[in-house]
Amino acid sequence: NAGVTQTPKFRILKIGQSMTLQCTQDMNHNYMYWYRQDPGMGLKLIYYSVGAGITDKGEVPNGYNVSRSTTEDFPLRLELAAPSQTSVYFCASSYSIGGGYTFGSGTRLTVV
Amino acid sequence: GIQVEQSPPDLILQEGANSTLRCNFSDSVNNLQWFHQNPWGQLINLFYIPSGTKQNGRLSATTVATERYSLLYISSSQTTDSGVYFCAVRGGADGLTFGKGTHLIIQP
Repeated sequence: NAGVTQTPKFRILKIGQSMTLQCTQDMNHNYMYWYRQDPGMGLKLIYYSVGAGITDKGEVPNGYNVSRSTTEDFPLRLELAAPSQTSVYFCASSYSIGGGYTFGSGTRLTVV
Repeated sequence: GIQVEQSPPDLILQEGANSTLRCNFSDSVNNLQWFHQNPWGQLINLFYIPSGTKQNGRLSATTVATERYSLLYISSSQTTDSGVYFCAVRGGADGLTFGKGTHLIIQP
């Protein structure tokens, strides 16, 4: 039981490049989330999903896109990377809307 | 949206000391969780506690939902308790809203 797995762990992008951050969970959780954490700050919600085929915007969705074709996978797409997207990205999942969260180990992204 | 305030922002203690971390929130919540982010950046769920009191070893938490606050107690601190403690709440149907955290340093 691996929990929530994120890849890659580190990535450096040039301005204008694009990439996909991968997130997969093996706990059969319906709810999945993407957060970003800037230095010295709490986490901010980018997008979330309440089940396969359903996604919705969080607090800071601009510059990102998501898809949820299966229960297990919830990739985050960055188009036209900008320095403001330099951050640590966390994926999380929960069994229910009121349930405890399990976080992945994070992806540290630098845009130069 | 819902606001979450944590105090104190920073706390430095000697090993063996006890501490209380506070989380105030601005509206009714249906989910409240405490997390520990260790020095390597990993987030660990400590408690799911929208109301009431829970204990897990040296850690315990109490949430008084009617007064919109939660407390995290750490007793007999160890150096491995160092890190950032986050309170996170949800008032509606979307994800958790996080506070800015309490940065705890336990000195040997």
